[in-house]
Amino acid sequence: DQQVKQNSPSLSVQEGRISILNCDYTNSMFDYFLWYKKYPAEGPTFLISISSIKDKNEDGRFTVFLNKSAKHLSLHIVPSQPGDSAVYFCAASGGSFNKFYFGSGTKLNVKP
Amino acid sequence: EPEVTQTPSHQVTQMGQEVILRCVPISNHLYFYWYRQILGQKVEFLVSFYNNEISEKSEIFDDQFSVERPDGSNFTLKIRSTKLEDSAMYFCASSETGGREKLFFGSGTQLSVL
Repeated sequence: DQQVKQNSPSLSVQEGRISILNCDYTNSMFDYFLWYKKYPAEGPTFLISISSIKDKNEDGRFTVFLNKSAKHLSLHIVPSQPGDSAVYFCAASGGSFNKFYFGSGTKLNVKP
Repeated sequence: EPEVTQTPSHQVTQMGQEVILRCVPISNHLYFYWYRQILGQKVEFLVSFYNNEISEKSEIFDDQFSVERPDGSNFTLKIRSTKLEDSAMYFCASSETGGREKLFFGSGTQLSVL
């Protein structure tokens, strides 16, 4: 079941620069997408969401972009901070009762 | 901010034993879920629960698994006869309306089956 893919297992950026995390999906029924952040030994924490009627959603330093034709979304973090170092999961749902499909995660390391 | 709490944080059990993982969802939430993450793999949906019954379940959620809301606050996941491959981090989650909205996750129970 590879309906949501995060092809980069890890990403390293310098503090203050932009972090771009990518996610691809295959199911055209998906209409709601979320990004979660996860620290070790903790549960996923909601970061930002976007529905398919939009192509961009912004919340402070975090912006999610959705390209429906390419079935691709990305999370931009600007500026990146060391506290952003965590595993980031994208998740998607659609046509089903709040069943989310998660990607495998991207481990972000922001270097001071 | 209100949070989902899970107990225990770690559970070690012998293969074939029954385990019960416990969760207290956020008090005004009506929809409850279990997800799990096997080490190094993605977070996988197990089951959703609303109005005292299962709404949806995955292929993973076979007859060895069951869920229950025994009272007004707890939500439990029972594995009747654990297998080695059940070793994983189990996350409970809840949401208010069950629509297109975020899930709130607990910090998880790490289950190790020996």
